[in-house]
Amino acid sequence: EAGVVQSPRYKIIEKKQPVAFWCNPISGHNTLYWYLQNLGQGPELLIRYENEEAVDDSQLPKDRFSAERLKGVDSTLKIQPAELGDSAVYLCASSSWTGTGDPGELFFGEGSRLTVL
Amino acid sequence: DAKTTQPPSMDCAEGRAANLPCNHSTISGNEYVYWYRQIHSQGPQYIIHGLKNNKTNEMASLIITEDRKSSTLILPHATLRDTAVYYCIVRGGSTGANNLFFGTGTRLTVIP
Repeated sequence: EAGVVQSPRYKIIEKKQPVAFWCNPISGHNTLYWYLQNLGQGPELLIRYENEEAVDDSQLPKDRFSAERLKGVDSTLKIQPAELGDSAVYLCASSSWTGTGDPGELFFGEGSRLTVL
Repeated sequence: DAKTTQPPSMDCAEGRAANLPCNHSTISGNEYVYWYRQIHSQGPQYIIHGLKNNKTNEMASLIITEDRKSSTLILPHATLRDTAVYYCIVRGGSTGANNLFFGTGTRLTVIP
């Protein structure tokens, strides 16, 4: 079974340019997460989707960041315009937990490393 | 969500057991204890999780104290490939808390 797939793995852009990251979760997983990881820090949640609905986007900087999960499967995270401080790793994760019983495992992709020059 | 406290770094000799402690004194009754690790430039990798009973899988053992306020992850025979940052996380047992909140973790270095 394929894991969580993210692309691109690496992206280098100039500041003020737009950038987009794509995530394909594990088949059948209803919950999708985007995390941000700065150097030397643990991942921090940006947004969580339950199917197509963004149920927790309180940490998403909405002035420049946007996300969508069309048809409740793949997701795209966009930054426009990018700033120097956005240089980080953007991680996608998915889970099949429906809210009762053992939550089970949350599966992560390899991440997309963004460098803003 | 409950917070966790871990030592920032630990060393372990290759072939010896690595015991990584974690405090989660404010954990609630329906929250699970999770352990993930992250090797440089890779996404976090699931290791093990549990509610209150000790657990063991092919990677590690998880020992949770009876009051559930702390736990220990045990890697029985550490190898150089186990060098990584290890995160102890509590995950809520309700839909509204379906997140993993990472701290800064413990950087384990396995020494030859």
